[in-house]
Amino acid sequence: AQKITQTQPGMFVQEKEAVTLDCTYDTSDPSYGLFWYKQPSSGEMIFLIYQGSYDQQNATEGRYSLNFQKARKSANLVISASQLGDSAMYFCAMREASGAGSYQLTFGKGTKLSVIP
Amino acid sequence: NAGVMQNPRHLVRRRGQEARLRCSPMKGHSHVYWYRQLPEEGLKFMVYLQKENIIDESGMPKERFSAEFPKEGPSILRIQQVVRGDSAAYFCASSPGASTNTGELFFGEGSRLTVL
Repeated sequence: AQKITQTQPGMFVQEKEAVTLDCTYDTSDPSYGLFWYKQPSSGEMIFLIYQGSYDQQNATEGRYSLNFQKARKSANLVISASQLGDSAMYFCAMREASGAGSYQLTFGKGTKLSVIP
Repeated sequence: NAGVMQNPRHLVRRRGQEARLRCSPMKGHSHVYWYRQLPEEGLKFMVYLQKENIIDESGMPKERFSAEFPKEGPSILRIQQVVRGDSAAYFCASSPGASTNTGELFFGEGSRLTVL
């Protein structure tokens, strides 16, 4: 089974609107971390936001917020007030706290976001 | 405040040649990870190294691929006798320890290998 599932291969959003990028995950580890990375066309991986499994509140970083629904095993990224520079691939990733994967990030296949002027 | 430095950014090799990709972690980081990104895919873990030690190479292909992180100098990912299927972006990431407050890995800009 996929550990990280991003069901939206591509998304479009109007400039200045908000957009939600979906991510669901699968783990039996009670302790884990969830990450979102942005990959613009230039190729680098840019860390956006982190949510720990024991965090009580949803993570926020500027225009980015993570809608963490633990029971549903979802960690959707919300980008408010979209900008043209937000056009990029967005990857959801998970790090489990125990076992062989405790230092590995497992990535989803990504969502390509296009911001329309 | 240099980040993770990878070179070369782009590398072209013919089938059968060797490819060497280098990664210098962020200052103060002693843990290095290599990931591979095939076209239209997310990143896949390859290997995790500390200075002079390979901690986990479970994601490395069994043949032709090797990695090292010597006491001095950058980490090297070496691919011998490259084939077209090795064409990909190879990312290096570093962290100060096995886990940090956020567990965040700091990524380099990647090395893009093209095999002709």
